[in-house]
Parts: sequence; C-alpha cells; structure tokens
Amino acid sequence: GIQVEQSPPDLILQEGANSTLRCNFSDSVNNLQWFHQNPWGQLINLFYIPSGTKQNGRLSATTVATERYSLLYISSSQTTDSGVYFCAGSRTTGGFKTIFGAGTRLFVKA
Amino acid sequence: DAGITQSPRHKVTETGTPVTLRCHQTENHRYMYWYRQDPGHGLRLIHYSYGVKDTDKGEVSDGYSVSRSKTEDFLLTLESATSSQTSVYFCAISTGQANYGYTFGSGTRLTVV
Repeated sequence: GIQVEQSPPDLILQEGANSTLRCNFSDSVNNLQWFHQNPWGQLINLFYIPSGTKQNGRLSATTVATERYSLLYISSSQTTDSGVYFCAGSRTTGGFKTIFGAGTRLFVKA
Repeated sequence: DAGITQSPRHKVTETGTPVTLRCHQTENHRYMYWYRQDPGHGLRLIHYSYGVKDTDKGEVSDGYSVSRSKTEDFLLTLESATSSQTSVYFCAISTGQANYGYTFGSGTRLTVV
C-alpha cells in the first residue's frame, strides 16, 4: 500500500530562520500534496506537486518523483507558520485513497 | 473555506446511539472524502465518494457508513457510536483534476461518552 513518512516529527525555530521538511513516499504514489494545519485546526492546501518545484511567497516545494521524496522549504519563518505540516500521497489524479503522513509539528518562537 | 461546510461543529453523544455528520459543498466537485484525525495517527481516510451514489472504503471504514444522494452532500453515519470513535472528523473535496488539490472543511469534533 501507499506509505508516506515525514521528518522531522518536531521542529522549533527562531523567527526569521529557514527550514526544510522532508516527505518520503512509496513507489506507488503519483500525486503529492502539502498541507498546513494551523493551531486552530484548519487544514490549508499549500501545494499540489507530483513533480518539479513550486513557490508561493516564502514557501516552496520540490518533488523528485524518481527518488520518491518531496521537500517543503520555509524561508524567513514567522510565528504564523506554526502548526503541523502534512504531506499526502495518492496513486491517481483523482486522489483516491490519499494517505497522509504523520506530520511535522513546527513551533516558531518570537 | 466557504465552499465546504461541516455540521455539526461539535457533538457529544452516548455510546450506542447513531450519529450522522454532514458535509456540504457548493463547488460542484466530483470527489468527496471523510477523514478522522487522532493524536499519533494523523489523518486517516474513512470513506470517499467519486460521484453520486458512488462510494468506497478507506483505511478505517469499520463502524462507519456513508451516503451521497446529491453532488453537494456527503453524509457519514456511525451506526452505533463507540468511545473509540471519539475524534475530529474532516471532510474534503477535490475536482480530481491534475494540479488541483484538496479543500478541507473546518472539522467536526465528536465525543462519545
């Protein structure tokens, strides 16, 4: 079945620091998404990135499908970046049975 | 997100009672999903739908049933609630098209006492 593993499980940053979160996925995953869950529980889609690189403001993501990993970069972190970051993968474009990793819990200190 | 709403937001129910959670979307997306989120387990897929009356099981479907009689509504039913079903339940929608990810609802916190 699909397997999605994230590292590190926890991360504490000083405001302004940069960080890289990693997601390893099994060879049956064709589609990869990144989400942020804020401290109030809301889940926000950050990137849909089956391959290549995308950027959105201070966040960027790179997926190397041939090596089965994806990276989420957070630059110049802010306290509002705190929360849990999930990657999730599925076999099909339709997203059937999208499986989530356990998440990386990020705390950004002021 | 305004295009997807879950109801109720919070519910406390007794063991053995039936419970139905509702997910309503205004986006006309084909795909809808129910997840549960528990500490230490992340988000786990319960059931999903790929069209009206078309549903299938996810990772943790035991004790749950779903129905989708209209594009906009996806119902999750706990036939006889148990304490192990205490969780936060999230609904998600997607178009299924490439480069279009999930949109999640705000979640329903269910407590079974």
